Amino acid sequence: AQTVTQSQPEMSVQEAETVTLSCTYDTSESDYYLFWYKQPPSRQMILVIRQEAYKQQNATENRFSVNFQKAAKSFSLKISDSQLGDAAMYFCAYIRGTYKYIFGTGTRLKVLA
Amino acid sequence: EAQVTQNPRYLITVTGKKLTVTCSQNMNHEYMSWYRQDPGLGLRQIYYSMNVEVTDKGDVPEGYKVSRKEKRNFPLILESPSPNQTSLYFCASAPLREGNQPQHFGDGTRLSIL
Repeated sequence: AQTVTQSQPEMSVQEAETVTLSCTYDTSESDYYLFWYKQPPSRQMILVIRQEAYKQQNATENRFSVNFQKAAKSFSLKISDSQLGDAAMYFCAYIRGTYKYIFGTGTRLKVLA
Repeated sequence: EAQVTQNPRYLITVTGKKLTVTCSQNMNHEYMSWYRQDPGLGLRQIYYSMNVEVTDKGDVPEGYKVSRKEKRNFPLILESPSPNQTSLYFCASAPLREGNQPQHFGDGTRLSIL
């Protein structure tokens, strides 16, 4: 069965600094998709970034980028120039074909002024 | 505005009293899904639907029912709610185009079962 593991329940970063949130997953499939979602205190689920497993190139969205290591089954999220508005719960998610999404348990990010 | 709408946003009720949480999307998405979010457990999929009259179980379907009679609506039914179903619930939708598309989420429903 597929699993998604976020080993850091909570992390802190100074404003303007860089932080990396880790995510590992377990699958025997070769074709799948990975996502990072952000959940601020308003509890909305907001898509941050997505990665197709068949693409070698790491996805980037402005200050957000991923380090996708397919062989290691690792999908970390890097946030550069952290801002107070980045404070939220971040969820890593995996999906393959059948639309059964598997989410990690989340990492709460605190941004310190 | 493209959105997924859940109602109610908050509900406090008692054990055994049937309740329905509605979910509606205006994006003509084929795929819809329900999740529950619990501290330390992340989001877990309850049920999902690939299209009208097509539903399937997620990872935690026990105690829940769903129906998909219309493309835009996907209600979640708790026939006999119990305290262990106290949770934050999310509905989501996505198009079934080539390549997996990210889901659009509703704003969540906080259920408390006493």
